[in-house]
Amino acid sequence: AQRVTQPEKLLSVFKGAPVELKCNYSYSGSPELFWYVQYSRQRLQLLLRHISRESIKGFTADLNKGETSFHLKKPFAQEEDSAMYYCALSGRGTGRRALTFGSGTRLQVQP
Amino acid sequence: SAVISQKPSRDICQRGTSLTIQCQVDSQVTMMFWYRQQPGQSLTLIATANQGSEATYESGFVIDKFPISRPNLTFSTLTVSNMSPEDSSIYLCSVEEDRGPGEQYFGPGTRLTVT
Repeated sequence: AQRVTQPEKLLSVFKGAPVELKCNYSYSGSPELFWYVQYSRQRLQLLLRHISRESIKGFTADLNKGETSFHLKKPFAQEEDSAMYYCALSGRGTGRRALTFGSGTRLQVQP
Repeated sequence: SAVISQKPSRDICQRGTSLTIQCQVDSQVTMMFWYRQQPGQSLTLIATANQGSEATYESGFVIDKFPISRPNLTFSTLTVSNMSPEDSSIYLCSVEEDRGPGEQYFGPGTRLTVT
């Protein structure tokens, strides 16, 4: 079975502070990992996917297969980063294309 | 990226009735999914709906309660049948584009309240 764990329900930081949202997964095959973000009153949208290895809005995430983690990081938080963040896994390589979501972490960036 | 719309955006329904939610995509896609997000919870997959085949339901979800139609490559419906207050949730459809790296895009959701 595949599972995604986000241990923190809420992460509160001050503007300019570094941010790390934790995500751990369990999956027997080769997973595809994603971070989705939901800003207030907006739809869920894709932020990052591990295959791209890109930086979006200053966020990066590295897949660590040894630790089965895909933590989301940003060196300097901005107030506009306040949102709900979901880590998600796809077993696309083994035919399961639907996403399994973590429970989500609410990021609050205070001025 | 695909643009997805859902109707209705929200509804308040009485116990025992049914509601059909529509999902429209602006491009042809094979893979379509329906998720549920209960209050304060994460997203849970209800079923995968591919055009030309029966929907595949996740454990805990059955066709009699959540019948799905997928008549073509741009449209799907999810019906929530014989509703109870426990069905109060946000229902979301998502699609995976046929071409490209395979990420999923989500509709705005339908907020359902059952009284």
